[in-house]
Amino acid sequence: QVTLRESGPALVKPTQTLTLTCTFSGFSLSTSGMCVSWIRQPPGKALEWLALIDWDDDKYYSTSLKTRLTISKDTSKNQVVLTMTNMDPVDTATYYCARTIAVAGTRVPNWFDPWGQGTLVTVSS
Amino acid sequence: QSALTQPASVSGSPGQSITISCTGTSSDVGSYNLVSWYQQHPGKAPKLMIYEVSKRPSGVSNRFSGSKSGNTASLTISGLQAEDEADYYCCSYAGSSTHVVFGGGTKLTVL
Repeated sequence: QVTLRESGPALVKPTQTLTLTCTFSGFSLSTSGMCVSWIRQPPGKALEWLALIDWDDDKYYSTSLKTRLTISKDTSKNQVVLTMTNMDPVDTATYYCARTIAVAGTRVPNWFDPWGQGTLVTVSS
Repeated sequence: QSALTQPASVSGSPGQSITISCTGTSSDVGSYNLVSWYQQHPGKAPKLMIYEVSKRPSGVSNRFSGSKSGNTASLTISGLQAEDEADYYCCSYAGSSTHVVFGGGTKLTVL
C-alpha cells in the first residue's frame, strides 16, 4: 500500500522560509519512473502544481515560482523536502505531496496517485 | 487564473449523466494524451479518476469515462449517484517548460 504524509509548520510569518517534508512508503524513489510532486490549494481555490523530483534526482519547478522553490530527496529515509522562500499571505494553502508516475521510458509526468492528506500552511504575522 | 478552463459548476439528478469539459491549448491538452482527472470531496485529498485521457485506475467505477477532442478533454459520469457530488479537476502535461497545468475545478451537484 502506497501512502504519503506531509509535515511542517502550520503557521509561518511573511518573508520566512517554509520547509515541508513528505514521508512516503510503499514505493521506492530510486525505481525508474517514480517521482514525487508537490501541489498546493489555497482555501476555496484550485490546485496548483509546484515541483517534481524524479528517480534520477532531476528536478522540475513551476515557472511562476521557480525562483522560490527547492525540492530534494533522501531516498534512504523515503522523504522529499520542499522549501519555499519569502513566504507571503497569498501562499496560504493546503500543500499536498503526491506520488507521480512518469510516462514509460521518459521523464514526463503522467499522473498523480495517491496523494497525501495535505497540510494547511497559513502565512500571517 | 488556471491554465485549463472548466465550468465552475454542473449539476444532474441521480441516474442521469453529466459531462465536464476541460479546455486547454495546442501546447497542453491538444498536444499530449496525458490528461488526468481528480475527484475531491470537501476536506479530502484529490483522488485519481482518469489518466491518459480515458484510462481508469483499478477500483474506479466504470461510470466514469474520459475523452478528448482537439484542445478539449471531457469527463463523463453516467448513472449519477449522491456520492459523486464533489469537485473535479482536470490536469495535463504542458511541455518541458511549463510541465503540468490544472484546471480551475468544477463543482458537481447531485440534485
